Amino acid sequence: EVQLVQSGAEVKKPGESLKISCKGSGYSFTSYWIGWVRQMPGKGLEWMGIIYPGDSDTRYSPSFQGQVTISADKSISTAYLQWSSLKASDTAMYYCARRTAMVDYWGQGTLVTVSS
Amino acid sequence: QPVLTQSSSASASLGSSVKLTCTLSSGHSSYIIAWHQQQPGKAPRYLMKLEGSGSYNKGSGVPDRFSGSSSGADRYLTISNLQSEDEADYYCETWDSNTPVVFGGGTKLTVL
Repeated sequence: EVQLVQSGAEVKKPGESLKISCKGSGYSFTSYWIGWVRQMPGKGLEWMGIIYPGDSDTRYSPSFQGQVTISADKSISTAYLQWSSLKASDTAMYYCARRTAMVDYWGQGTLVTVSS
Repeated sequence: QPVLTQSSSASASLGSSVKLTCTLSSGHSSYIIAWHQQQPGKAPRYLMKLEGSGSYNKGSGVPDRFSGSSSGADRYLTISNLQSEDEADYYCETWDSNTPVVFGGGTKLTVL
């Protein structure tokens, strides 16, 4: 069974750094793209970026380029999304998702709250 | 890049059918899309892949009540015999070589 299990909710202050994770299981982790999707409170889904763990090829949405860093450690089948300096506007739910041609499996989400 | 347009809301009665629409932008009418369901407070769930021909492939465990169809640039999700648990947000998704993931704005379905 394909599963994407994300790390737990985080509460941070503006300016702090953060790295959240997404562990894949039940499939060949290096053979599928993993993407990250933001959902702000009460809003729709926004694609942030995507990584191919097999060779670490990474692509970012223009809206998120330079704002976040996506990485993966294929030895532990885990993808990451990180911020170097959080802002209050980064408060949102973040989902990882496996992509074949389309997204076909979703993680359970990680709620990130940034507040002073 | 392709753009997907969805109505912001729809409603239908319990036990009836509803057809949700996702429209591809000009020049992208042949594109394949996917439909996703997001129930309140839950993560999205993949429902199906839908081609321009109208052929569709559903994800594991998706009930038979869910089906897809296409006409020109329009892609449809039909839900028959509506149940209370079908009340959710529905998103369509597409992609191309330059943009790996594009989402529509989502349709909020209310079951009356």
